[in-house]
Amino acid sequence: DADVTQTPRNRITKTGKRIMLECSQTKGHDRMYWYRQDPGLGLRLIYYSFDVKDINKGEISDGYSVSRQAQAKFSLSLESAIPNQTALYFCATGALQDPYNEQFFGPGTRLTVL
Amino acid sequence: AQKITQTQPGMFVQEKEAVTLDCTYDTSDPSYGLFWYKQPSSGEMIFLIYQGSYDQQNATEGRYSLNFQKARKSANLVISASQLGDSAMYFCAMREGPSSGSARQLTFGSGTQLTVLP
Repeated sequence: DADVTQTPRNRITKTGKRIMLECSQTKGHDRMYWYRQDPGLGLRLIYYSFDVKDINKGEISDGYSVSRQAQAKFSLSLESAIPNQTALYFCATGALQDPYNEQFFGPGTRLTVL
Repeated sequence: AQKITQTQPGMFVQEKEAVTLDCTYDTSDPSYGLFWYKQPSSGEMIFLIYQGSYDQQNATEGRYSLNFQKARKSANLVISASQLGDSAMYFCAMREGPSSGSARQLTFGSGTQLTVLP
């Protein structure tokens, strides 16, 4: 079983709809992250969380919100989806004690907003 | 200014040859880490190699090595003996600041698409 899972893997929705992307991990990591990937731009950080009580904005948080329901779960919401939020979304985790701060990525969610 | 720059959108290499993927970075923090990730067409992100700013030697992991030139702020990935399965997008990323104590995020470059030719 994968250590970091994302649901759904693919989603097509319409402008104005509310969407939630979910991430679960079995690695026991404290840190969790949401990134989006656009062609030619690499990955950009949306939000990150140090633990259940800690939520921080990343580079491109406008239009998104997150919830850290438990250590193992970190969800990303688009309250009112718009077409330029069409992208590949990745959840990642990291261990607080990891001297390298390596991040482990989920398989990604491909979101299309029509 | 871009923190991570990958100037090669696409690269081709013959199978069994070596290839170097370029990465330059920009930071004023004396403590940082550099990562390379591989993204095959299936989409997942696979960690390849890590170099810390205070590491004296270049990092190596199997066929992957990192040519770290601190004064030039470059961290090029070298893949030796390329295989067809190496065809993928490759991302360079940087963590600024020490790794301990806080949720240090990564800043990614725009990637290099590597194609290995038979």
